[in-house]
Amino acid sequence: GAGVSQTPSNKVTEKGKYVELRCDPISGHTALYWYRQSLGQGPEFLIYFQGTGAADDSGLPNDRFFAVRPEGSVSTLKIQRTERGDSAVYLCASSAGTGRYEQYFGPGTRLTVT
Amino acid sequence: GQNIDQPTEMTATEGAIVQINCTYQTSGFNGLFWYQQHAGEAPTFLSYNVLDGLEEKGRFSSFLSRSKGYSYLLLKELQMKDSASYLCAVTVAGGSYIPTFGRGTSLIVHP
Repeated sequence: GAGVSQTPSNKVTEKGKYVELRCDPISGHTALYWYRQSLGQGPEFLIYFQGTGAADDSGLPNDRFFAVRPEGSVSTLKIQRTERGDSAVYLCASSAGTGRYEQYFGPGTRLTVT
Repeated sequence: GQNIDQPTEMTATEGAIVQINCTYQTSGFNGLFWYQQHAGEAPTFLSYNVLDGLEEKGRFSSFLSRSKGYSYLLLKELQMKDSASYLCAVTVAGGSYIPTFGRGTSLIVHP
């Protein structure tokens, strides 16, 4: 079956612009996670959805970052007033549950802020 | 928070065995994941340990000691395709069980 998909695969934007990154999880997976990963680092947690609601957004670095999952499937990560420090690969993952359930990762969106 | 420590880089020879260590300090430890990530690709699941001991899955095995805050990933009969980053991730109980990842160990397998 289809895995987790993310669009776009690459996004180059200018400092100060607004961007949206999309994640399409595996069908039926209730849990959805956003991470960002910088070169040579592990994925850094941003936000976790259980169904439609953000169950844990403690990883969002500041109020420029926001994410939604209105129908409990597709999620969009929104970044306002982008800064060069936001440049990273943004990974989305979904799982059938939490705890012992493995996460299935998408291919990521490489965001470059110039 | 959690503190997770892994070696930055390791090298090994094709056909050999390599052990990648991960130590962690956390309160409320629940379980530990190992993921493999090839350059430019998404992480893929390898194992999840909750109880002490060794779990074997083909050429890969994972070990956990909860009392020591220690895990290792053992890769046998190394192949060139095993060259990748290996990520250790810890979950804690009582919350959302969100994995906290270490920075990963870059394994280079040479002929």
